[in-house]
Amino acid sequence: DTEVTQTPKHLVMGMTNKKSLKCEQHMGHRAMYWYKQKAKKPPELMFVYSYEKLSINESVPSRFSPECPNSSLLNLHLHALQPEDSALYLCASSQGFNTNTEAFFGQGTRLTVV
Amino acid sequence: GQQLNQSPQSMFIQEGEDVSMNCTSSSIFNTWLWYKQEPGEGPVLLIALYKAGELTSNGRLTAQFGITRKDSFLNISASIPSDVGIYFCAGRPNMDSNYQLIWGAGTKLIIKP
Repeated sequence: DTEVTQTPKHLVMGMTNKKSLKCEQHMGHRAMYWYKQKAKKPPELMFVYSYEKLSINESVPSRFSPECPNSSLLNLHLHALQPEDSALYLCASSQGFNTNTEAFFGQGTRLTVV
Repeated sequence: GQQLNQSPQSMFIQEGEDVSMNCTSSSIFNTWLWYKQEPGEGPVLLIALYKAGELTSNGRLTAQFGITRKDSFLNISASIPSDVGIYFCAGRPNMDSNYQLIWGAGTKLIIKP
């Protein structure tokens, strides 16, 4: 299994809603990432988990709350989002923070905030 | 901060033509990566380069890590319709920080039938 699986594929939510994005990998990877990608732009790193601990938070607003329940799962909890948060949210995983271990990306969740 | 200049921004080519795109930086990078992203999908790693001067092929794709460590190019030979997509370069400036990637703005490849 060389896949990173993200659900849902599409999500429309109101500004007062609470929703969660889910990511799963079964490659034994110990680093997992959340990226945000706006249209026609490269991905922007949001969070990095290493061995189930939050390692990097790239100054992401608190309305985005990551969670890593175990080494295979990564969630992104969303609350009180703004329309400008609409984007493609990508999950990725890699073996760890060693060199020459590049990340595999999931298909992404297309989020629309209305 | 560090930036990558990726060019061209877009390419309109005929099927069967060769394609060339590149990324340059004013800073040194220790790793160069080339990704392809199709609509509705996440980026897929095409080629990874780890040594200055390294030339690596993946089928019809060839990429090189520049000798100065400040640039990289990607060539696609004999393009076919499934090559359409956005190609991103990404560089890693610091070997101690595996997570940190600097991304180019992307090259959109459009193939005329």
